[in-house]
Amino acid sequence: AQRVTQPEKLLSVFKGAPVELKCNYSYSGSPELFWYVQYSRQRLQLLLRHISRESIKGFTADLNKGETSFHLKKPFAQEEDSAMYYCAPCYGGKLIFGQGTELSVKP
Amino acid sequence: DVKVTQSSRYLVKRTGEKVFLECVQDMDHENMFWYRQDPGLGLRLIYFSYDVKMKEKGDIPEGYSVSREKKERFSLILESASTNQTSMYLCASRPTSGRGNIQYFGAGTRLSVL
Repeated sequence: AQRVTQPEKLLSVFKGAPVELKCNYSYSGSPELFWYVQYSRQRLQLLLRHISRESIKGFTADLNKGETSFHLKKPFAQEEDSAMYYCAPCYGGKLIFGQGTELSVKP
Repeated sequence: DVKVTQSSRYLVKRTGEKVFLECVQDMDHENMFWYRQDPGLGLRLIYFSYDVKMKEKGDIPEGYSVSREKKERFSLILESASTNQTSMYLCASRPTSGRGNIQYFGAGTRLSVL
């Protein structure tokens, strides 16, 4: 079965510090990869996907096929980045979600 | 903007009750999904549907069924609610073509089974 691992349940950083949320997935072909975010009291929404190669809200994600990783990075965290983040590869049209990482950015 | 609407934000039901969770999307998407979201477990797929009257089991279908009589509506049914089905339920939809695999989510229904 395809698996997704987000090793950190909670990541706590200070404002202005760099942040990296880790994601590893089990290999099967070349899945499309996504990061979704859920801010407090808001619905789950797409943050970015790897095929777009774009930076959203200062976040980027690097796909490393050799390590089957898709880590999410931001050089300078902001308080408004505090949220729940989910990594989700897509297999056969279905998203497989990781356990999620709660990012807490302290002032 | 894509709109996925779940009929109830909060529901409280008793053990053994039959529970219906409703989801409607307004973007003519072919594919619809039901997940449950639990702390530490992420989102787990219960059922999905890729067309009207079509359904497929996800990873945790036990104790649930679904109905898709119209393209815009996808219902999740708990035949006999149990306390271990207390959870947040999320509905999502996505098109088959266009922006492909991006799923759009509803606001969620928090179900408590007492």
